Amino acid sequence: KQEVTQIPAALSVPEGENLVLNCSFTDSAIYNLQWFRQDPGKGLTSLLLIQSSQREQTSGRLNASLDKSSGRSTLYIAASQPGDSATYLCAVEDTGRRALTFGSGTRLQVQP
Amino acid sequence: DTAVSQTPKYLVTQMGNDKSIKCEQNLGHDTMYWYKQDSKKFLKIMFSYNNKELIINETVPNRFSPKSPDKAHLNLHINSLELGDSAVYFCAVQLNTEAFFGQGTRLTVV
Repeated sequence: KQEVTQIPAALSVPEGENLVLNCSFTDSAIYNLQWFRQDPGKGLTSLLLIQSSQREQTSGRLNASLDKSSGRSTLYIAASQPGDSATYLCAVEDTGRRALTFGSGTRLQVQP
Repeated sequence: DTAVSQTPKYLVTQMGNDKSIKCEQNLGHDTMYWYKQDSKKFLKIMFSYNNKELIINETVPNRFSPKSPDKAHLNLHINSLELGDSAVYFCAVQLNTEAFFGQGTRLTVV
């Protein structure tokens, strides 16, 4: 059974810092990995999707990497801003099972 | 135009009642899902429907029943509500592997 772990559970950084969020998964037979952002009381916003054949994806200040063999992904946020404060969720879709398994999230706070 | 919309956004009800949460999508994709986010913010799959057919049922109590009247809708009916059903319920749609989520329905059972 797939398990997804995110470290750290919470992170507080001053504005302008570069930061890395970590995600690990136990079963490397994945179809894709997706990073989401969730603001308090809101739904999930998809940030980046990495197919199993890809190594990374970039969108603006965000860069996500995937190492399927070691079961790891990182989300890199450059030049963090207070508006980046949210919970970041990592989710994997297993091969043959069209549903996402989520990590418990990293709660990020960027101090102005 | 919201791709995935849920109603209501908030639902407060007493134990033992029966309630429904509606979900509508305009992405035109076949596969729709219900996820549950508990008090610890952990998101878990409940159901998956593809073209009105149940694909995944993750050991959810049979008090929960998804109903898909057509490809654009997947409603969640909950019978005999219990305190432990309090959570945020999210509807989602997958389009070409990317998942799109609704804004969630916060259910509080009192």
